[in-house]
Amino acid sequence: NAGVTQTPKFRILKIGQSMTLQCTQDMNHNYMYWYRQDPGMGLKLIYYSVGAGITDKGEVPNGYNVSRSTTEDFPLRLELAAPSQTSVYFCASSRDLPAYEQYFGPGTRLTVT
Amino acid sequence: QKEVEQNSGPLSVPEGAIASLNCTYSDRGSQSFFWYRQYSGKSPELIMFIYSNGDKEDGRFTAQLNKASQYVSLLIRDSQPSDSATYLCAVKGSNSGYALNFGKGTSLLVTP
Repeated sequence: NAGVTQTPKFRILKIGQSMTLQCTQDMNHNYMYWYRQDPGMGLKLIYYSVGAGITDKGEVPNGYNVSRSTTEDFPLRLELAAPSQTSVYFCASSRDLPAYEQYFGPGTRLTVT
Repeated sequence: QKEVEQNSGPLSVPEGAIASLNCTYSDRGSQSFFWYRQYSGKSPELIMFIYSNGDKEDGRFTAQLNKASQYVSLLIRDSQPSDSATYLCAVKGSNSGYALNFGKGTSLLVTP
């Protein structure tokens, strides 16, 4: 199993541009998540999904959108990129019982200039 | 916002010693507790999780949970320089659905 994969690894965007961060998992997990991690700030939840067709906002959803058309894929869309979206983005997935433990992808380092 | 608190460190221990990492949480109804290791520039890697009071051992790692005092700790025995990383505590709260609340992490440095 490849686990959770993310593309691209790195990206530089200009202010106002848009892009999609891709996330795929091959563990047949129902639950998937998007986090951002800023230096010294810990992981913040952007959006999550409990299954295909079901998504919900996390702690910091503004400026982002998601969709979940299949169990495997959970892309994150950035519209009108802003410097405040410069961060490292992690996708994660989890099974359910007993503990909903999450497994992370390798991350995408995004710079908006 | 439910809080998960960790000392940012760095915690420095000599090679071969026991490293003790601590985490406190504010949501008394929290259900599951996780320890992740994150090397610089890498993604968080799950070490272990615990959801019952007491100790849980996995190799050189022991997680300890005390729900009455609302803390969870991670002990690393026979610490190695390769254990040098940031350790993240995460908590599944009572009202957080499936999401985890993460602490900001403790930086551990194991010196040869």
